[in-house]
Amino acid sequence: DIQMTQSPSSLSASVGGRVTITCRASQDVSNFLGWFQLKPGKAPKSLIYAASTLHSGVPSRFSGSGSGTDFTLTIDSLEPDDFATYFCQQYKSFPFTFGPGTEVDL
Amino acid sequence: QVQLQEWGPGLVKPSQTLSLNCIVSGDFFSRGGYYWNWIRQRPGKGLEWIGYTYYSGRTAYNPALQSRATISVDAPKNRFSLKLTSVTAADSAVYFCARGEGDWGLDYWGQGTLVTVSS
Repeated sequence: DIQMTQSPSSLSASVGGRVTITCRASQDVSNFLGWFQLKPGKAPKSLIYAASTLHSGVPSRFSGSGSGTDFTLTIDSLEPDDFATYFCQQYKSFPFTFGPGTEVDL
Repeated sequence: QVQLQEWGPGLVKPSQTLSLNCIVSGDFFSRGGYYWNWIRQRPGKGLEWIGYTYYSGRTAYNPALQSRATISVDAPKNRFSLKLTSVTAADSAVYFCARGEGDWGLDYWGQGTLVTVSS
């Protein structure tokens, strides 16, 4: 299985600030990498696919980069709605695997 | 916009079979190219992909669960289901269904349903 790691596991940020989350794959996943936002009791929100492409309706303050084994999610100008847990996921090979998550709080 | 909604028993006894359904709104379900996933999040742990099915019935599973999991399509009811046999407390989790498409990965998710395995 491809192991996904994320750093940091949690971070504190402020409204208006900038956040960068790193995701690393144990093997080359090319650009088959997605990012998701989870909040308790709500449907997870898909943010980015193919490492850097925003899903429809996702604000442009979210951006993704990377390929191969190293990836980054950046959130600019944090808004109150952005405080959540973020996961990366590789869908290059079975089984699809997720990172352990990064909690972004105030 | 596609919507997914999971439902099923919130409590299952150990050694029994967990059965969940996910209903898909609109006419997306029968369109080719989409794969329909089950994913879970156990308490205090990350997300775990269980498997998927295409509308055609073609499936793929996580090897860790393959011996116990079955994902199937109920086309007339626009839904797909998950059966997980011989459950233990370790199967207690929030279970999500989600849609995926080719190179685009997962795009739409259900809200999730909590299943507790306990006697």
